[in-house]
Amino acid sequence: GQQVMQIPQYQHVQEGEDFTTYCNSSTTLSNIQWYKQRPGGHPVFLIQLVKSGEVKKQKRLTFQFGEAKKNSSLHITATQTTDVGTYFCAGPGGAQKLVFGQGTRLTINP
Amino acid sequence: GAVVSQHPSRVICKSGTSVKIECRSLDFQATTMFWYRQFPKKSLMLMATSNEGSKATYEQGVEKDKFLINHASLTLSTLTVTSAHPEDSSFYICSARKLPRRGGDTEAFFGQGTRLTVV
Repeated sequence: GQQVMQIPQYQHVQEGEDFTTYCNSSTTLSNIQWYKQRPGGHPVFLIQLVKSGEVKKQKRLTFQFGEAKKNSSLHITATQTTDVGTYFCAGPGGAQKLVFGQGTRLTINP
Repeated sequence: GAVVSQHPSRVICKSGTSVKIECRSLDFQATTMFWYRQFPKKSLMLMATSNEGSKATYEQGVEKDKFLINHASLTLSTLTVTSAHPEDSSFYICSARKLPRRGGDTEAFFGQGTRLTVV
């Protein structure tokens, strides 16, 4: 079945440093979604990318969808302590399902 | 935005007892809801798809008789962990999605999650 691989599993940075997490799918995706889960919380939707090569920005967050629609990345510029959490990518899994990546847990040293 | 409410947020139960977790879509109707299990510092593992008015669809390896799912209305799905054992201790989360207006996919709204501890 479809798999979505996400790396790295963990990332620890100093506050102010940049952070990137990468997602790769075994199949072409019609779209990809990104979610953030704060420690002790539940996943919250960040964004959906649909078009090949699409780039979207949300303040310090930049999301990219690859040309082949098989990979995606989330880049955070100048991290802040509020960025702490686990970031998940997710692709369609059929029948409204989502296939989640393993997540990248971001911790920040203030 | 749409809200999905999950209750209870925490529950401790004795081994051998059953626990029911509720998931409600508060401002939209959800013919389909999803139940996930999440181990500490791990990803979301889809357990089953809850279908309003019909049987749930379970993922491979998930015991149907162990995790009973009922979706009796368009806004409520319940997950009952039957005869719970310590290995069932985990974080259970539900989610629901609005139907897209013109095809494509919509975002998933998650409940707050239920931390189950079986002692």
